[in-house]
Amino acid sequence: AQSVTQLGSHVSVSEGALVLLRCNYSSSVPPYLFWYVQYPNQGLQLLLKYTTGATLVKGINGFEAEFKKSETSFHLTKPSAHMSDAAEYFCAVKHSGAGSYQLTFGKGTKLSVIP
Amino acid sequence: DAMVIQNPRYQVTQFGKPVTLSCSQTLNHNVMYWYQQKSSQAPKLLFHYYDKDFNNEADTPDNFQSRRPNTSFCFLDIRSPGLGDAAMYLCATRWTNNNEQFFGPGTRLTVL
Repeated sequence: AQSVTQLGSHVSVSEGALVLLRCNYSSSVPPYLFWYVQYPNQGLQLLLKYTTGATLVKGINGFEAEFKKSETSFHLTKPSAHMSDAAEYFCAVKHSGAGSYQLTFGKGTKLSVIP
Repeated sequence: DAMVIQNPRYQVTQFGKPVTLSCSQTLNHNVMYWYQQKSSQAPKLLFHYYDKDFNNEADTPDNFQSRRPNTSFCFLDIRSPGLGDAAMYLCATRWTNNNEQFFGPGTRLTVL
């Protein structure tokens, strides 16, 4: 069974500082991994995804993530935080279920950016 | 712009009074999902449609039903809402050959 663990339910960074949000997964098959962002009272928006190929994946808004199979990790980074990055971030792993593939989400990490 | 639309954005109902949430999409995606997201928690899949085929998660309460009358629309019916059903309900869509799920803005349900 697939599962996702996000370390830290709340992360605070200063504006301009490095953002690092951690995600570890377990999967019995080669994983497809996703990061979504959710702003207050809104739906989820895809930041980036890893399926196959290059292990360093670039997404929108300057975010990137690196798939490390040996560490079963898919951490999200951004070199310089902006106030607009304050949101909740969810890591997810794809798995096959009845009918069609599904996503299992981590519990989320709320990012605060301090001016 | 192609999108996933959820109406209403905010819904207030009374304990035990049936409520229906709606989702429509202009993406022509064949897979549609309903998630429940409680405060500060991850989205939890309730059920999904693969074309017309309905797939219920094993732990989705019987109180929750769904209808998909055509490709574009999907409804979530809560027959007798309890206080524990207060949550954000998210609809998402996907095309078979694509890994990305597209989410609507959600409907926040309050149960009084």
